[in-house]
Amino acid sequence: KAGVTQTPRYLIKTRGQQVTLSCSPISGHRSVSWYQQTPGQGLQFLFEYFSETQRNKGNFPGRFSGRQFSNSRSEMNVSTLELGDSALYLCASSGQGNLPGELFFGEGSRLTVL
Amino acid sequence: AQRVTQPEKLLSVFKGAPVELKCNYSYSGSPELFWYVQYSRQRLQLLLRHISRESIKGFTADLNKGETSFHLKKPFAQEEDSAMYYCALNYGGSQGNLIFGKGTKLSVKP
Repeated sequence: KAGVTQTPRYLIKTRGQQVTLSCSPISGHRSVSWYQQTPGQGLQFLFEYFSETQRNKGNFPGRFSGRQFSNSRSEMNVSTLELGDSALYLCASSGQGNLPGELFFGEGSRLTVL
Repeated sequence: AQRVTQPEKLLSVFKGAPVELKCNYSYSGSPELFWYVQYSRQRLQLLLRHISRESIKGFTADLNKGETSFHLKKPFAQEEDSAMYYCALNYGGSQGNLIFGKGTKLSVKP
């Protein structure tokens, strides 16, 4: 099985712009979670989707949003980018055969905001 | 609030020495705890979970509810164990919502 695929892998944006990141989960996995990783804060949960519905949301401003499509692929969007949004954004998927908390991570999308 | 603390940012040991990576958590309910590992240039991946009570690559971790700890141990470290190790807490049964510690970088010297 192919692993979790995230695109783009690297991107550079300027303050005020918006960005959309994409995640394709492992085939058959219907749960997709997003995390932000920074040197200062570590890994922080953004949101989780299951069957096109947001199931959980972390403590991030409304500029951070996401969605999931019927094929379980997910996108996250950050609007009005700030310098502090520079981070590695990780996507993780899990399936029915996995225990809660057992996640399969992608390689991440590294966002730099100038 | 729920929290996971890994007190050591860096842990350096010699090959063959015992290793203990510390993890403490704050959660009043029944926690589900995990250790994730990230080797150089690889993805973050699950190492082990407390509910399975398993040993993976020689590592074990025991949940101590009294001390609210879930330390990761290995009796004899190997150079290939060098990596970033993250302790994580899942609460409420959610599939993908984990609280991660900030990680400990383990360096095993030859």
